[in-house]
Amino acid sequence: NAGVTQTPKFRILKIGQSMTLQCTQDMNHNYMYWYRQDPGMGLKLIYYSVGAGITDKGEVPNGYNVSRSTTEDFPLRLELAAPSQTSVYFCASRPTSGRETQYFGPGTRLLVL
Amino acid sequence: GQQVMQIPQYQHVQEGEDFTTYCNSSTTLSNIQWYKQRPGGHPVFLIQLVKSGEVKKQKRLTFQFGEAKKNSSLHITATQTTDVGTYFCAGNAGNNRKLIWGLGTSLAVNP
Repeated sequence: NAGVTQTPKFRILKIGQSMTLQCTQDMNHNYMYWYRQDPGMGLKLIYYSVGAGITDKGEVPNGYNVSRSTTEDFPLRLELAAPSQTSVYFCASRPTSGRETQYFGPGTRLLVL
Repeated sequence: GQQVMQIPQYQHVQEGEDFTTYCNSSTTLSNIQWYKQRPGGHPVFLIQLVKSGEVKKQKRLTFQFGEAKKNSSLHITATQTTDVGTYFCAGNAGNNRKLIWGLGTSLAVNP
């Protein structure tokens, strides 16, 4: 199993540009999450999903959109990039039942100039 | 809203010294998880505690869950340079869909 994979690893965007951060997991996990982590700070939940076709907002959803058309994929969309969105973005997944451990991807480092 | 406070924010120790980080929740938790994030890396799961008063050990690491299930601690005995990183606690408070994360404790170890 590859676990949770994220692409790209690093991206520079200009203000106002848009992009999609990709996240894929091959563990058949129903729950998936998007977090952002600003330098030296903790994790803030952007959006999460409890299964295909179901998404919900976290604590910092403004400026982002998500979709969950399949169990495996949970892309995060930035429509109009702003400097405040400069951060490291982590995708995570976990199984529905049993131990609620979250498995994280390696992250995408985004710089908005 | 529900909050998890984690202290200290930073800790510098000499190699061989002990280290403890504390996690306090504003609400009762159904479980507490601990994660470690190495510099430049992603959070990696260490352990989950579920029972009131539970204590678990992983080599030099000792994890405790308080009797009231509102606080937890991670203690590292005789730190090594490989312990460097940020330690996060995170808990579920009834709604198991989302974890409530602490802000983390960054540990630096001087060789």
